[in-house]
Amino acid sequence: DTEVTQTPKHLVMGMTNKKSLKCEQHMGHRAMYWYKQKAKKPPELMFVYSYEKLSINESVPSRFSPECPNSSLLNLHLHALQPEDSALYLCASSQDSAGGPYEQYFGPGTRLTVT
Amino acid sequence: LAKTTQPISMDSYEGQEVNITCSHNNIATNDYITWYQQFPSQGPRFIIQGYKTKVTNEVASLFIPADRKSSTLSLPRVSLSDTAVYYCLVGDGTDRGSTLGRLYFGRGTQLTVWP
Repeated sequence: DTEVTQTPKHLVMGMTNKKSLKCEQHMGHRAMYWYKQKAKKPPELMFVYSYEKLSINESVPSRFSPECPNSSLLNLHLHALQPEDSALYLCASSQDSAGGPYEQYFGPGTRLTVT
Repeated sequence: LAKTTQPISMDSYEGQEVNITCSHNNIATNDYITWYQQFPSQGPRFIIQGYKTKVTNEVASLFIPADRKSSTLSLPRVSLSDTAVYYCLVGDGTDRGSTLGRLYFGRGTQLTVWP
C-alpha cells in the first residue's frame, strides 16, 4: 500500500471556526509533512515530523497547529484562519527525513476555503 | 539550497519525445536531482532521481552532464495524460545545514500535450 489518504477532500470554514485536517499512511514511513499550495504556485513546506516529533516549522503562523498522534497519523488543526489561508493542503510521507533524499509520497490534498 | 530554473511552459504533441531542462548552477557535491509530476488538484508524484550521468526507469530518463549544473528530464512518446506540471528539485535531504527532508519546489514547467 503506497497510498497517503487525506480527509476531508474539501472544507469550507469561517474565520472563527476550528477544524482539523487528517492524514494517514500505512507504509511504515517515519517522516510526515504538511505543505500548502496556492493556485498555480508550487507547494510550500509548512511542517516536518520525524519519528513523531516536530523537526521543522517553516515559520508557520500559530493558527496552524500540527499534531502527530502516532507514526501513521498526522493532523493539522486550524483556528481563526484568514481568507488568504485558502489553499490546497497536502500531506506527504517518506521513509525518513534524514539520510536521504527519500521519495516523498503525497496525498490528494484537502481543498480549504476560508470565508 | 541550490536554486533551480526551468521553462515556465512547454507544448508537445502526442507520440513525441519531450525534454525538459533544469538549470542548477550552484548544485552542491552531495545534492541529488529529483523530478516530480503534478496533475491539477492532486499531490505531486515522484518521477525519477539521479546524481550523475543517466538514470532510466519505466516512465522517464534523466540525463545529467558531468558538471551537474543542469539536468534534462526526457519523457518518451508522450500522451495526453502526460499534461501536467513538472518540478525539478535539488537537495540532499540529509541532516546537514538543516535541510532535513525539506523539499523546495521551484516554479515548475507546465507541459501541455496536444492531440
